Amino acid sequence: DAGVIQSPRHEVTEMGQEVTLRCKPISGHDYLFWYRQTMMRGLELLIYFNNNVPIDDSGMPEDRFSAKMPNASFSTLKIQPSEPRDSAVYFCASSLFGVGGRYQPQHFGDGTRLSIL
Amino acid sequence: GENVEQHPSTLSVQEGDSAVIKCTYSDSASNYFPWYKQELGKRPQLIIDIRSNVGEKKDQRIAVTLNKTAKHFSLHITETQPEDSAVYFCAASRPPAAGNKLTFGGGTRVLVKP
Repeated sequence: DAGVIQSPRHEVTEMGQEVTLRCKPISGHDYLFWYRQTMMRGLELLIYFNNNVPIDDSGMPEDRFSAKMPNASFSTLKIQPSEPRDSAVYFCASSLFGVGGRYQPQHFGDGTRLSIL
Repeated sequence: GENVEQHPSTLSVQEGDSAVIKCTYSDSASNYFPWYKQELGKRPQLIIDIRSNVGEKKDQRIAVTLNKTAKHFSLHITETQPEDSAVYFCAASRPPAAGNKLTFGGGTRVLVKP
């Protein structure tokens, strides 16, 4: 399996621009998570989906952030307009809940390192 | 909601010594506790996990112990090697009630000195 695939790996853009991060989960996984990692705040859960439906977006910092999952194999995290304080590494992870309550661990993608100038 | 505290935040050990990282959680309903290792510039990777129906689990040089009564769990690394240098994160969740959502601790930076 190719694992969780994120793109781009690095993004540098100017303040005010729209940023779109992409994620392809592991095939067959029914949960998808978006995290943000910074030195100051550690690993923060932004939003997660189950079967393409957003379940908990309480970690989304503000209205400038939005996430979608149009199908089981693709999700986007969008920031519009971007600000310097959005600079961080953004990880996508996926997992399988499984039959009979069995669960499988979250597998992370390689992340997108975002720099807003 | 769940809150996970992790200590220490940094840990320096001599190669060959043991390292221990401790985590406490607040939600007594949590029943799944994974540990992730993140090397510099890389993604977090699962190294071991434990479920609430067991008290200890081992995998070669790493082991995890769980005390449900006290609501804490620990990671033990024996015979540390330089490649064990990384940031380690503990986490807790309570499937199926909260799906597969994990609450992470703040991380421990481990440095193994040769």
